[in-house]
Amino acid sequence: GNSVTQMEGPVTLSEEAFLTINCTYTATGYPSLFWYVQYPGEGLQLLLKATKADDKGSNKGFEATYRKETTSFHLEKGSVQVSDSAVYFCALIEYQTGANNLFFGTGTRLTVIP
Amino acid sequence: DAEITQSPRHKITETGRQVTLACHQTWNHNNMFWYRQDLGHGLRLIHYSYGVQDTNKGEVSDGYSVSRSNTEDLPLTLESAASSQTSVYFCASSDSTGANVLTFGAGSRLTVL
Repeated sequence: GNSVTQMEGPVTLSEEAFLTINCTYTATGYPSLFWYVQYPGEGLQLLLKATKADDKGSNKGFEATYRKETTSFHLEKGSVQVSDSAVYFCALIEYQTGANNLFFGTGTRLTVIP
Repeated sequence: DAEITQSPRHKITETGRQVTLACHQTWNHNNMFWYRQDLGHGLRLIHYSYGVQDTNKGEVSDGYSVSRSNTEDLPLTLESAASSQTSVYFCASSDSTGANVLTFGAGSRLTVL
């Protein structure tokens, strides 16, 4: 079946530090991969996505590369800001098997301190 | 601007009572979803709908029901609320183009005493 595993949080970083949040997935076909972000008190919103192997999604300084050989989609940012404090969710969707729904990881809480 | 609205935002109820959480979207999206968010579990799919009169069970559907009588609304009903249903509930919608980017509501926090 489909599943997403992401690194346990919480993650606490100083401003301008480098961020990596690991995400690996299990899927029977060729999923599309997503990172969603949830700011305090809000719903989730799409951060970036990649639809096929070796695609790189990017947005707001965040990047993630779809690695089929390692079944990974790690989120990175070179220099985090206090405003990046949020919960980050890795997710996948697999159309080919008819599973037209997103499977989410458990979320990783990031806190950036000044 | 188009939006997706959930109500109520906060609800406290007692065990055994029926509760309905409303979700209304003005994106004209065909697909609508209900998730619950719990610590250590992330988001889990409760029910979803691909169009009017279509409803499907998700991963954790027991104790919940939905109905889709129009494009805009997908209310979630807890027939007999249980303490295990204390959670934050998110409604989401997406179009049918295949991009499957979900737009989420702000969430409804339900406490069952």
